[in-house]
Amino acid sequence: EAQVTQNPRYLITVTGKKLTVTCSQNMNHEYMSWYRQDPGLGLRQIYYSMNVEVTDKGDVPEGYKVSRKEKRNFPLILESPSPNQTSLYFCASSFAPPSGANVLTFGAGSRLTVL
Amino acid sequence: AQSVSQHNHHVILSEAASLELGCNYSYGGTVNLFWYVQYPGQHLQLLLKYFSGDPLVKGIKGFEAEFIKSKFSFNLRKPSVQWSDTAEYFCAVTFDRGSTLGRLYFGRGTQLTVWP
Repeated sequence: EAQVTQNPRYLITVTGKKLTVTCSQNMNHEYMSWYRQDPGLGLRQIYYSMNVEVTDKGDVPEGYKVSRKEKRNFPLILESPSPNQTSLYFCASSFAPPSGANVLTFGAGSRLTVL
Repeated sequence: AQSVSQHNHHVILSEAASLELGCNYSYGGTVNLFWYVQYPGQHLQLLLKYFSGDPLVKGIKGFEAEFIKSKFSFNLRKPSVQWSDTAEYFCAVTFDRGSTLGRLYFGRGTQLTVWP
């Protein structure tokens, strides 16, 4: 089944403890992206990647890192999480950058709580 | 800067009522427009999209949207809502400017609650 898989789905952690949220897609998509969703703010883009070894900042990159060493994986790294990073995170992918012909497929989301 | 606005934060309707959710964007060039739906506890699903051709587009579950270029709008409509339409709805836009290539911008979302 074609899908975007995120792990973990739920995580409670403490301030400063490094964590990684993994994202994997099995559709050979070149484009991958991370969003965070907060009440009243909609989805905001954190980072995106056009292809392997090509990443760029979105609207809210502060406090996050990403890497794209393989086409299928796009992990989101929080080096030193803080409470303001408590959020619902979505990974998404598509064959090419989003357009009318290239629609994003979203993962199920990862709910992160930083105490 | 490019932006996407959804005017209604929370809409409450009774079943069989008609629905219209507003979406406006700020850019005079070529855009691609999307409506996504997020049912409680689930990920985003595409309802419909517009990128060219007939400005009235039909999507899944009886939804439709009309692109009005002169008004920079892409409003979502449904003639008769059902309880199962209770969800959060997001308008999203891509802009064809070089600095924004690869970016999909979302509105803040509209929570729709339908009472049976």
